[in-house]
Amino acid sequence: RKEVEQDPGPFNVPEGATVAFNCTYSNSASQSFFWYRQDCRKEPKLLMSVYSSGNEDGRFTAQLNRASQYISLLIRDSKLSDSATYLCVVNPKGGDSGGSNYKLTFGKGTLLTVNP
Amino acid sequence: SAVISQKPSRDICQRGTSLTIQCQVDSQVTMMFWYRQQPGQSLTLIATANQGSEATYESGFVIDKFPISRPNLTFSTLTVSNMSPEDSSIYLCSVEVWGVSSTDTQYFGPGTRLTVL
Repeated sequence: RKEVEQDPGPFNVPEGATVAFNCTYSNSASQSFFWYRQDCRKEPKLLMSVYSSGNEDGRFTAQLNRASQYISLLIRDSKLSDSATYLCVVNPKGGDSGGSNYKLTFGKGTLLTVNP
Repeated sequence: SAVISQKPSRDICQRGTSLTIQCQVDSQVTMMFWYRQQPGQSLTLIATANQGSEATYESGFVIDKFPISRPNLTFSTLTVSNMSPEDSSIYLCSVEVWGVSSTDTQYFGPGTRLTVL
């Protein structure tokens, strides 16, 4: 099983649509979870952290299910500017992944295109 | 957050040569990292740049190929040595910042796009 696995996409949705991305992770000891967005030919930028209680930031809602090792991102009322690749990111923080305690493990990303 | 700059932003190099990439942060940070993003792939951590000691490399990456310097808390360099076309990639530095919600978050520089001919 891959360390971080995401919906393969791509997703093509009309403006105003609601779209959901899913992500699963293999290391049950993982401690921190994030969604980053990456625009074409740009660096990843933090979209939001994901907390056990779930969290919302405007049109974006992130949820974490530790029992199922599952993370989701919901985008409501999608805008043209939401078009990007969305990266699910997990920090094992000393779990069985080895290497640095600060290692971020990235999913391959899901490409979203919002169409007018 | 932190403002991170990288130089060069892109380069085209001949195989067998080496390129040094610089990363500058606008504030002192404890943790700095170097990642690679190969075409069509996600990011892979190369190493953690430690200030005052040798970098910590991830599995599959070695110091001879990717020597790293970290002379102070705001600056680091990554050298890609004896390059081959397989080294063509985007190289990104990142820094870890302790967030207001008590979670550590990494912020990325704009990346260096390397093409090896």
